[in-house]
Amino acid sequence: ETGVTQSPTHLIKTRGQQVTLRCSSQSGHNTVSWYQQALGQGPQFIFQYYREEENGRGNFPPRFSGLQFPNYSSELNVNALELDDSALYLCASSHRVDEQYFGPGTRLTVT
Amino acid sequence: TQLLEQSPQFLSIQEGENLTVYCNSSSVFSSLQWYRQEPGEGPVLLVTVVTGGEVKKLKRLTFQFGDARKDSSLHITAAQPGDTGLYLCAGVEAGSYQLTFGKGTKLSVIP
Repeated sequence: ETGVTQSPTHLIKTRGQQVTLRCSSQSGHNTVSWYQQALGQGPQFIFQYYREEENGRGNFPPRFSGLQFPNYSSELNVNALELDDSALYLCASSHRVDEQYFGPGTRLTVT
Repeated sequence: TQLLEQSPQFLSIQEGENLTVYCNSSSVFSSLQWYRQEPGEGPVLLVTVVTGGEVKKLKRLTFQFGDARKDSSLHITAAQPGDTGLYLCAGVEAGSYQLTFGKGTKLSVIP
């Protein structure tokens, strides 16, 4: 059974640029959630996708958007990057909201 | 205001000591999870508790869910250096699809 994978591992972008992060969910999981984890903080919920539809969103602006594909893999897109967007971005796949399996994350640095 | 408050924020102990970390909220949760996260990695699910008063054991780790389902504790017996990491509690409020995390307790076990 393949676990959750994310790419890239690290990324450096300039303020104002756009970024796309990718996630492959664990085999058999149809739900993907994305989280932002700032240094010294717990993960903050960005949004969740179930069967290619967004079915929940946290307190993040519209410049954070996503997609889920028929194979349940997912993308997180962030437009007009700001310095405060620097964080570890985590993807989690699941059958149930209370049993999520996380990938290793993508470390995004905005300069 | 953080929905889930974890304490202590930092804990440094000697190998062989016992410790307890706490996760408290004023909200009722349908379930509560504990994760451990190591630097540069995603959180790893340790346990899910769903019933008020429930106690679960995982080797030297004991997890308890409060009777009112508003709080939880994690007790580690005879801590070992391999227990070092960030311990995160996370909960799903009744009727919600969203997993909410606390800020975590950073544990260091000194050999």
